[in-house]
Amino acid sequence: NAGVTQTPKFQVLKTGQSMTLQCAQDMNHNSMYWYRQDPGMGLRLIYYSASEGTTDKGEVPNGYNVSRLNKREFSLRLESAAPSQTSVYFCASSEWDSNNQPQHFGDGTRLSIL
Amino acid sequence: AQSVTQLGSHVSVSEGALVLLRCNYSSSVPPYLFWYVQYPNQGLQLLLKYTTGATLVKGINGFEAEFKKSETSFHLTKPSAHMSDAAEYFCAVSTGANSKLTFGKGITLSVRP
Repeated sequence: NAGVTQTPKFQVLKTGQSMTLQCAQDMNHNSMYWYRQDPGMGLRLIYYSASEGTTDKGEVPNGYNVSRLNKREFSLRLESAAPSQTSVYFCASSEWDSNNQPQHFGDGTRLSIL
Repeated sequence: AQSVTQLGSHVSVSEGALVLLRCNYSSSVPPYLFWYVQYPNQGLQLLLKYTTGATLVKGINGFEAEFKKSETSFHLTKPSAHMSDAAEYFCAVSTGANSKLTFGKGITLSVRP
């Protein structure tokens, strides 16, 4: 049972570089999410995809883009990385984008931007 | 708008002692409430959830939480702490149609031998 798989687990970038964080789930879930976790701030939603073919902004979307490639995969792209984007990024999925659906999380990507 | 307050950032208890982690929420409509646990270098794992029905909710690893509407609270408890309970705990709320999860800032639980 892989659940939600994120790659890479660690990455160091220089300011201005671009990269894509990958996420895949094998639970046949319809909804997928990207969060960032910063010390003392909990998790903040960057983007989400309620179902295949749709994406929407969350609380902190600036500087990021997403692609829902298919039902399984949801990627997060940093076009021009900034030090303020140093964080731990989590992908999550849920069966449906409704209030009482628990979300299942990957183990995170730890991203440092110098 | 919905919000979650987890007062304090760190709680330390002795092994075998009661664990009490507080969570208060703000919502104008009936909420759905969740507790998640995060072990070091891992993602979040669902401990328990309240949607409707019984206000005392039992979760994994001996944890439980009680929804108190009058106090807008959803505190997490465990009668006897174990060393393996050391982790960060997040309370989260979801309200209304098409609402997303809003997380509290998290509380780190330490367990002393």
